Amino acid sequence: DGGITQSPKYLFRKEGQNVTLSCEQNLNHDAMYWYRQDPGQGLRLIYYSQIVNDFQKGDIAEGYSVSREKKESFPLTVTSAQKNPTAFYLCASSIDRGNEAFFGQGTRLTVV
Amino acid sequence: GENVEQHPSTLSVQEGDSAVIKCTYSDSASNYFPWYKQELGKRPQLIIDIRSNVGEKKDQRIAVTLNKTAKHFSLHITETQPEDSAVYFCAAGNTDKLIFGTGTRLQVFP
Repeated sequence: DGGITQSPKYLFRKEGQNVTLSCEQNLNHDAMYWYRQDPGQGLRLIYYSQIVNDFQKGDIAEGYSVSREKKESFPLTVTSAQKNPTAFYLCASSIDRGNEAFFGQGTRLTVV
Repeated sequence: GENVEQHPSTLSVQEGDSAVIKCTYSDSASNYFPWYKQELGKRPQLIIDIRSNVGEKKDQRIAVTLNKTAKHFSLHITETQPEDSAVYFCAAGNTDKLIFGTGTRLQVFP
């Protein structure tokens, strides 16, 4: 279903803990993205990567970190420094810059 | 930084009527303008896109227009149906990234 997989679908985190959200794609896409979705605020870009071992901050990178050690994988870590982490997180990939982005099914993170 | 404004935030139409959603963007380097539809609880999916060398594109009941001079682009849905009800996002992209608008919740009443 779509070639881009996010896990888990639901994630609960205690305050002060780091959590890592997984994103894997088998589409052979170079570009990968992480977006955060909050009600009424659309999709806000957290980080993006155009190539392995390289990534750039988006508009709301504070409190998040990423890695891109493999072309297929772009995990997102939500650190304890992120003040309001409860949100729906969407990973996407595209064949290269400026082309259609395919989305994963999302991970809903809740801080308890 | 770059941003994309989208209006309206909510739109209610009667089945069979047309719906228009408008977006403006700030980055003049943007050259790719996709529109995504997100049904409740599902991932956004591309419904139509347009590039900067084209002013208009149509796919059955859906059309997109682009005015690069004014930095405006719009989504037009004709003969709306209840299954068109969803949240629609516009986006503007360049060689680096895609920036999304804040979304429009479209409700089509039978």
